[in-house]
Amino acid sequence: SQQGEEDPQALSIQEGENATMNCSYKTSINNLQWYRQNSGRGLVHLILIRSNEREKHSGRLRVTLDTSKKSSSLLITASRAADTASYFCATAPSGGSYIPTFGRGTSLIVHP
Amino acid sequence: SQTIHQWPATLVQPVGSPLSLECTVEGTSNPNLYWYRQAAGRGLQLLFYSVGIGQISSEVPQNLSASRPQDRQFILSSKKLLLSDSGFYLCAWSPRNRGLGGELFFGEGSRLTVL
Repeated sequence: SQQGEEDPQALSIQEGENATMNCSYKTSINNLQWYRQNSGRGLVHLILIRSNEREKHSGRLRVTLDTSKKSSSLLITASRAADTASYFCATAPSGGSYIPTFGRGTSLIVHP
Repeated sequence: SQTIHQWPATLVQPVGSPLSLECTVEGTSNPNLYWYRQAAGRGLQLLFYSVGIGQISSEVPQNLSASRPQDRQFILSSKKLLLSDSGFYLCAWSPRNRGLGGELFFGEGSRLTVL
């Protein structure tokens, strides 16, 4: 079953703008991860944030986590055409198999 | 460095035919291995995972099976394909010492079309 749900489903912006994607989930998590997928390719891990962390940075990526609201956001600053891809959040539950479950993703298009 | 190979990249199969997708990991030992399926416009659905040779856990009862004959080899199979088996199949691995909830490293995927 899908745990995380991304919002919006699609996002179209101009190069240089910031892109923000949100992820909401329903049950307690151990961590939340963001992945990127170029069309027709495998997923690439971007960042992992643990349940006791509130914010994490990696280059132009900034991820926040609010466990009280069961939500996370991924911010890509100063976007580039090469950032065009689908972005998925995956939540690793705090019980059960612990294996990350994925949402349906946000399709990001960055226009040059 | 670790790499993951998945093949074939694409295949078109008739309904009722068998299937075998193979995945191998190099540069690491005792990885956790996973098979996911991605239908068009949908997220990834976990099909199987394995924590060791011969140890397979199935998440979704269906027409598929998985096997792990060697430490770094993971095979997805079907005896008779259904139209609903069409999709993009992704193999992934994660380091054993980070448990099953850690970051996943994906292969390039196998696109299956069942006609």
